[in-house]
Amino acid sequence: AQRVTQPEKLLSVFKGAPVELKCNYSYSGSPELFWYVQYSRQRLQLLLRHISRESIKGFTADLNKGETSFHLKKPFAQEEDSAMYYCALLGGAQKLVFGQGTRLTINP
Amino acid sequence: DVKVTQSSRYLVKRTGEKVFLECVQDMDHENMFWYRQDPGLGLRLIYFSYDVKMKEKGDIPEGYSVSREKKERFSLILESASTNQTSMYLCASSDMTSYGYTFGSGTRLTVV
Repeated sequence: AQRVTQPEKLLSVFKGAPVELKCNYSYSGSPELFWYVQYSRQRLQLLLRHISRESIKGFTADLNKGETSFHLKKPFAQEEDSAMYYCALLGGAQKLVFGQGTRLTINP
Repeated sequence: DVKVTQSSRYLVKRTGEKVFLECVQDMDHENMFWYRQDPGLGLRLIYFSYDVKMKEKGDIPEGYSVSREKKERFSLILESASTNQTSMYLCASSDMTSYGYTFGSGTRLTVV
């Protein structure tokens, strides 16, 4: 079964503090994983994908196959990071399977 | 610069009505998808299509159908709207190479 789990519905941190949004997946094949972000009143957009190993807006995510995790991290949170974040797995038939989402709030 | 366009941002329909949600993309993508987005449930796939006149059921197809007569247009149809179909509906498209999805801005449907 293909499944993505984001255990935290809500996450609140102070500006300047480190941020970690958790994502665990279940997939029998070789996973392709993504993080999507939705800012207030904007459309859902791709933040980063594990195969490109890039850092976008200071965020990084490392695929840990042993722990089946793909946590999103940022060392110093900024107020503009407040948004809804979704972890997603590209499963069979080129379909994206999404987690439940985590609403991140950065407090000033 | 809008690449995936959903025709309505907000819709209010009555129970039992037939509802059409339209989505158009201008990127010549082969794949198109319809999701519904609900708090605490994330995005759930309703239907998807890999080519014109092709359609595949997603995880929650009950009560929905789709139409793809042209490559750029993918329509979601609620045959007889019910209150439990009140939700945000997101359309997305992707190509066969990058697999990165491009999303529309969504249609918030309320069924009363």
